Amino acid sequence: AQSVTQPDIHITVSEGASLELRCNYSYGATPYLFWYVQSPGQGLQLLLKYFSGDTLVQGIKGFEAEFKRSQSSFNLRKPSVHWSDAAEYFCAVVPTDSWGKLQFGAGTQVVVTP
Amino acid sequence: NAGVTQTPKFRVLKTGQSMTLLCAQDMNHEYMYWYRQDPGMGLRLIHYSVGEGTTAKGEVPDGYNVSRLKKQNFLLGLESAAPSQTSVYFCASSIEPGQKDYEQYFGPGTRLTVT
Repeated sequence: AQSVTQPDIHITVSEGASLELRCNYSYGATPYLFWYVQSPGQGLQLLLKYFSGDTLVQGIKGFEAEFKRSQSSFNLRKPSVHWSDAAEYFCAVVPTDSWGKLQFGAGTQVVVTP
Repeated sequence: NAGVTQTPKFRVLKTGQSMTLLCAQDMNHEYMYWYRQDPGMGLRLIHYSVGEGTTAKGEVPDGYNVSRLKKQNFLLGLESAAPSQTSVYFCASSIEPGQKDYEQYFGPGTRLTVT
């Protein structure tokens, strides 16, 4: 079955430490890939996206993600987290045979400690 | 440029009551979407529209109806609210998928409680 999986429901990281959030997908063809962030009580903001080309994608707020076709993964990274990065992060895909139907993972809650 | 706006921000309904959520976008987008967000489940697509006068079912359409009478507006209706429809509802809009600038822009959400 087609799916988007974020294996980590909750991650705690110290301020200044690095962060990596995992995302795996299961689709026949490589879908369009997105990472969104949701701060408490807010809507979703796009961090970055991958359609094709360079497999390392740079986004806003110092985030980057790497597409690995062999692993069907699109992991999000940040070298040094700030307290303001505490939020929920969603990986999402648009299957290329299902235009417009953005499918979300369950989300990863990130807590940043001093 | 307000982007995507949603009305109301909060609402409490009794079981069986009806209501309409309004979504408006000022980006001239053809595509519009309604999602619901529940803890541990991410966002799930309820209905979407690929242009004025068109609507289509998403992943969880039961109990909801939608209308797209004007390009900039997308309405979500609950005819007879049930406690299972307690959720946060998000509207989004986009250009046609497949274009390099494609992304979905989200509104701030409507928190609905059905008692």
